[in-house]
Amino acid sequence: KNQVEQSPQSLIILEGKNCTLQCNYTVSPFSNLRWYKQDTGRGPVSLTIMTFSENTKSNGRYTATLDADTKQSSLHITASQLSDSASYICVVSDRGSTLGRLYFGRGTQLTVWP
Amino acid sequence: EADIYQTPRYLVIGTGKKITLECSQTMGHDKMYWYQQDPGMELHLIHYSYGVNSTEKGDLSSESTVSRIRTEHFPLTLESARPSHTSQYLCASSFAGTGGLGEPYEQYFGPGTRLTVT
Repeated sequence: KNQVEQSPQSLIILEGKNCTLQCNYTVSPFSNLRWYKQDTGRGPVSLTIMTFSENTKSNGRYTATLDADTKQSSLHITASQLSDSASYICVVSDRGSTLGRLYFGRGTQLTVWP
Repeated sequence: EADIYQTPRYLVIGTGKKITLECSQTMGHDKMYWYQQDPGMELHLIHYSYGVNSTEKGDLSSESTVSRIRTEHFPLTLESARPSHTSQYLCASSFAGTGGLGEPYEQYFGPGTRLTVT
């Protein structure tokens, strides 16, 4: 069964600190992995997308890593800001699907305190 | 920010009422999607469309229906709302096919409609 598991479920950090969010998946055959940021009451917004051949990708203070062998990914946030408070969702797409079927994790709820 | 719009943003309605959630995009995307999301849970695909006059059911069974008469418009209708329909509904769109890397095109999400059925 294709699944995406994220940890931790929630995380509280102080402004300026770094943090790392984890994602494990069983989606096969693998196509790509995306990290989305979803603010409360809003739709998800894409942060990074990585294909099988990529093992790291950055978007400003966000850096995603991918280990396709162990089927794990992480999202590292550097020098956190209050605006980083949101849910971070790991999404995996399977190869060969004309729909581009996406499998969503439940997200990690990050809260940044001043 | 993506040019995909949903109305209303919030809706509180009584049981048995008929409702239509609107979704429009101005990016010329062929594919459009409806997802349902409960608090703290993952998004579930309930409907999708490859283009005009094409609609398909997604992974999660839903009592809602959709139509795609125009490329830019993908409304979702509930004929008789029930409390179990209370949820957030997210619309998304993307180009069809794959990009230069052979990967599916990015999906862009609307802001969502928070539906409460009392």
